[in-house]
Amino acid sequence: DTEVTQTPKHLVMGMTNKKSLKCEQHMGHRAMYWYKQKAKKPPELMFVYSYEKLSINESVPSRFSPECPNSSLLNLHLHALQPEDSALYLCASTRTGGMNIQYFGAGTRLSVL
Amino acid sequence: SQQGEEDPQALSIQEGENATMNCSYKTSINNLQWYRQNSGRGLVHLILIRSNEREKHSGRLRVTLDTSKKSSSLLITASRAADTASYFCATDGTGGFKTIFGAGTRLFVKA
Repeated sequence: DTEVTQTPKHLVMGMTNKKSLKCEQHMGHRAMYWYKQKAKKPPELMFVYSYEKLSINESVPSRFSPECPNSSLLNLHLHALQPEDSALYLCASTRTGGMNIQYFGAGTRLSVL
Repeated sequence: SQQGEEDPQALSIQEGENATMNCSYKTSINNLQWYRQNSGRGLVHLILIRSNEREKHSGRLRVTLDTSKKSSSLLITASRAADTASYFCATDGTGGFKTIFGAGTRLFVKA
């Protein structure tokens, strides 16, 4: 199984809502990533978890709150987002940290109204 | 700023033709990877080339790496309409965990 599953596929939320994005992998990977991607732009790294510990936070605003409950699961909690946060949010995992091959989920298309 | 810069930004070719995309980067690397992204979907890994390698092949893909020029190229031979996608190079940043993607080349293959 080389699949990274992201839910939901689409999400529309108001600026006062609280929602969560979910990412799951069962490949035994120990590093998991959140990326944000705007249209016609490359993915931008947001967070990296390694062995369930947050190892990189790319100065992401606190309205984005990551969580890694176990080695297979990664969440991104959203609160008080702005319209400019509308984007494709991608989750990825690698066997270990470092420049290993990243396996990506299909993404969650987020629209903030 | 982005580690990788790619050109062209967009490329339109006929089915059967070859497509070449270039990537330049700024700092030393251990590896360079190429990924493909179909519209609005996740990225799919295509090929990894290590800094001590100069050329690598995988099916219809050929990747070259010139560390002296800090550049790489991806050649897709005998392109197909299904190759229509965005292609990104990716390099490793400091600390090992950080992957930095180039700006990407949007390839359109006309049937």
